[in-house]
Amino acid sequence: DIQMTQSPSSVSASVGDRVTITCRASQGISSWLAWYQQKPGKAPKLLIYAASSLQSGVPSRFSGSGSGTDFTLTISSLQPEDFATYYCQQANSFPPLTFGGGTKVEIK
Amino acid sequence: QVQLVESGGGVVQPGGSLRLSCAASGFTFSSYGMHWVRQAPGKGLEWVAFIRYDGSNKYYADSVKGRFTISRDNSKNTLYLQMNSLRAEDTAVYYCAKDLIRSATSAGYMDVWGKGTTVTVSS
Repeated sequence: DIQMTQSPSSVSASVGDRVTITCRASQGISSWLAWYQQKPGKAPKLLIYAASSLQSGVPSRFSGSGSGTDFTLTISSLQPEDFATYYCQQANSFPPLTFGGGTKVEIK
Repeated sequence: QVQLVESGGGVVQPGGSLRLSCAASGFTFSSYGMHWVRQAPGKGLEWVAFIRYDGSNKYYADSVKGRFTISRDNSKNTLYLQMNSLRAEDTAVYYCAKDLIRSATSAGYMDVWGKGTTVTVSS
């Protein structure tokens, strides 16, 4: 199975900050990567798929990049509603689909 | 609007069984593959199972293989997860999720999620 490793596990940031989250796959997955946002007590929400494609309705301050084994999710200007946990997920080798451990974005 | 609503969760003893349902609306259910994903308390997301749009192919995580069965009834727009031989480690919120792409195979991305149903395995 492909292992997905996210870093950092948590980050403290202020409104307006630029935030970058990294995800590394244990082997190459081309661009088969998604990013999800999850708020406490809520279901995950798809933000990015195919590494850099913005899901419909997601604000343009979210962007994704990378291919192969290294990927990033960037929030260009953090908004109050962006404080949440973010997960990466690979879709190259299926089954199984595998998620990263999550990155919690907290208020500084 | 596009919606998924899970039901069937509850408290069950180890070794017991439970069947989860997921009612879909607002989209052509029979055209999309569907997933179950779970989240143990305070933990991350774990993919559980996938079923093709027509039910002809099913895939499972190793942790549930042989114990869980995914199925669907396209005439009822409903997805199911039959869970047998439940263990304490199956305790989680279970989400059903729609595959992103209308195709014969899974895109592996999940664009619509239900709110989840909680399964607690405890004596």
